[in-house]
Amino acid sequence: EDQVTQSPEALRLQEGESSSLNCSYTVSGLRGLFWYRQDPGKGPEFLFTLYSAGEEKEKERLKATLTKKESFLHITAPKPEDSATYLCAVQDVAGTALIFGKGTTLSVSS
Amino acid sequence: EAGVAQSPRYKIIEKRQSVAFWCNPISGHATLYWYQQILGQGPKLLIQFQNNGVVDDSQLPKDRFSAERLKGVDSTLKIQPAKLEDSAVYLCASSFAVTYEQYFGPGTRLTVT
Repeated sequence: EDQVTQSPEALRLQEGESSSLNCSYTVSGLRGLFWYRQDPGKGPEFLFTLYSAGEEKEKERLKATLTKKESFLHITAPKPEDSATYLCAVQDVAGTALIFGKGTTLSVSS
Repeated sequence: EAGVAQSPRYKIIEKRQSVAFWCNPISGHATLYWYQQILGQGPKLLIQFQNNGVVDDSQLPKDRFSAERLKGVDSTLKIQPAKLEDSAVYLCASSFAVTYEQYFGPGTRLTVT
């Protein structure tokens, strides 16, 4: 059974304090791993798709990396506006549904 | 480019009542999804459409939930009768094709009392 586990559940950072969020996954075959950002009261906002181990993608202060068992979302010098819940999801080659983790809630204070 | 539209944004009903949600996907997106997101959890897929046809409805509680996608564009999700455990945010998403990234609407927050 496909599974996605995200850690930590919650993370508090000071502005400028870099850190990483973890997404561990179990799938029979990975079609893609997706990162989303979700603000309170809004739908998830697409950030990145990673397809194979070793792949990296960047957007502003965010960088996502992928290995055969996990993905990391690195946040460099975060700002308060980066505060949100970050969701990780996987898509198995055997299906089309996205399997989501519970998310990591990031709070960045100034 | 307009995003995924959903209505209503909020709905409060009593248990055993019925409710319907509407979704208009991004223009040109053939694949449409309905997800249920319970507080503190990630979204869980309820049903997936490819144009007019159902691709995956394995997690849809078919005794009370139904969904349709008329003419391969708009979609409605219905719950009848509602239970307390149906309280959640119902998210609609669309994608160009099944292997492409999904774009989500703002969701409908349902409270069943």
